[in-house]
Amino acid sequence: EPEVTQTPSHQVTQMGQEVILRCVPISNHLYFYWYRQILGQKVEFLVSFYNNEISEKSEIFDDQFSVERPDGSNFTLKIRSTKLEDSAMYFCASRRGLSNQPQHFGDGTRLSIL
Amino acid sequence: DAKTTQPTSMDCAEGRAANLPCNHSTISGNEYVYWYRQIHSQGPQYIIHGLKNNETNEMASLIITEDRKSSTLILPHATLRDTAVYYCIVRLANNQGGKLIFGQGTELSVKP
Repeated sequence: EPEVTQTPSHQVTQMGQEVILRCVPISNHLYFYWYRQILGQKVEFLVSFYNNEISEKSEIFDDQFSVERPDGSNFTLKIRSTKLEDSAMYFCASRRGLSNQPQHFGDGTRLSIL
Repeated sequence: DAKTTQPTSMDCAEGRAANLPCNHSTISGNEYVYWYRQIHSQGPQYIIHGLKNNETNEMASLIITEDRKSSTLILPHATLRDTAVYYCIVRLANNQGGKLIFGQGTELSVKP
């Protein structure tokens, strides 16, 4: 069964450094998402992406964050200058084009900022 | 998107049916009910979704009341591997974004 894959599984970065989290969505999916989950807290929506542009973003997704679909398969989340509070699990999700279809999630990247 | 209310935690004996309730009294006519689960900080796993009719797949059944104000996810024969946090999410089905808003969910413990 096709699945969303995320790399790396764990990323350790110094505060202030840039980090890029990578995702390969399911191949025929058209909508892409990033969520994060701080340890012990709820899963929070960050951004949705469709047709090569952001369709919605949350308050968390400030100017330090950006997303890109550089080719036909990858979907990336970049944090330009990481802060301690960016430490979290980051989940990528994708869904097909039909409006009621569910999102399917990857297993996440654990981002640790030192 | 409508808000949902779920019990914080539930226990279930292995092999028995697990019935997880969800209230969504402010649901609107074109909002779907989705169920996901999260096992120990893995990514949320899609289980099932529905609009009005009851639904069944290989993982679970979803029973939606006639007034659509509540639903129940049924795991017919719970196993230890079903121990997880279960999320009931109501989402407007449209092609604009479609973000999921997660609550705290129900922590289901399946016990031997």
